[in-house]
Amino acid sequence: DVKVTQSSRYLVKRTGEKVFLECVQDMDHENMFWYRQDPGLGLRLIYFSYDVKMKEKGDIPEGYSVSREKKERFSLILESASTNQTSMYLCASSLLSGIGGKNIQYFGAGTRLSVL
Amino acid sequence: AQTVTQSQPEMSVQEAETVTLSCTYDTSESDYYLFWYKQPPSRQMILVIRQEAYKQQNATENRFSVNFQKAAKSFSLKISDSQLGDAAMYFCAYRGYGNKLVFGAGTILRVKS
Repeated sequence: DVKVTQSSRYLVKRTGEKVFLECVQDMDHENMFWYRQDPGLGLRLIYFSYDVKMKEKGDIPEGYSVSREKKERFSLILESASTNQTSMYLCASSLLSGIGGKNIQYFGAGTRLSVL
Repeated sequence: AQTVTQSQPEMSVQEAETVTLSCTYDTSESDYYLFWYKQPPSRQMILVIRQEAYKQQNATENRFSVNFQKAAKSFSLKISDSQLGDAAMYFCAYRGYGNKLVFGAGTILRVKS
């Protein structure tokens, strides 16, 4: 089974802190994604990566950056955390791009981040 | 840009009965996939069912089936013989060309015993 592991289930940080959210997948997937989940808004894509050191902005990249130094690991960075970044963050991974049916996204269990 | 709309914020169903969750989407692409994901209280998103747009036959996975109406851009999920373990948030999602999923706002399903 595919396993996507997020390093923390819950995280509490202070405004202005630099925050790292880590995600590791064990299925050699090329694509990795970071989403933010808020009530009434569903999941919104922050950033995704289709290869090591490659990244693309999603729909809401402002205030975030990412790092992918190794294929299995994708980090989300909040350079200076703000209260409006309090949310649930979900990581996902999938195989190569394209319309193919095997390109299923598998998700981690999420990190609930509170910024005080 | 593609959009996905789930108009039912919450639904309730009696155990053993059938419930249908609605989803509509908007796209100009001709080939795409549609998905239903389940997010239980554990927060682990699980793929429930998927549908390829060029396939006219509705997808079925055990007690879960979809009603895919391509012309109407509608993709509803039917859960038969509902069980307590079906209680969760359900998300409808769209994927066109490329890798990105576009999600609806979600529907909370409550199952009454």
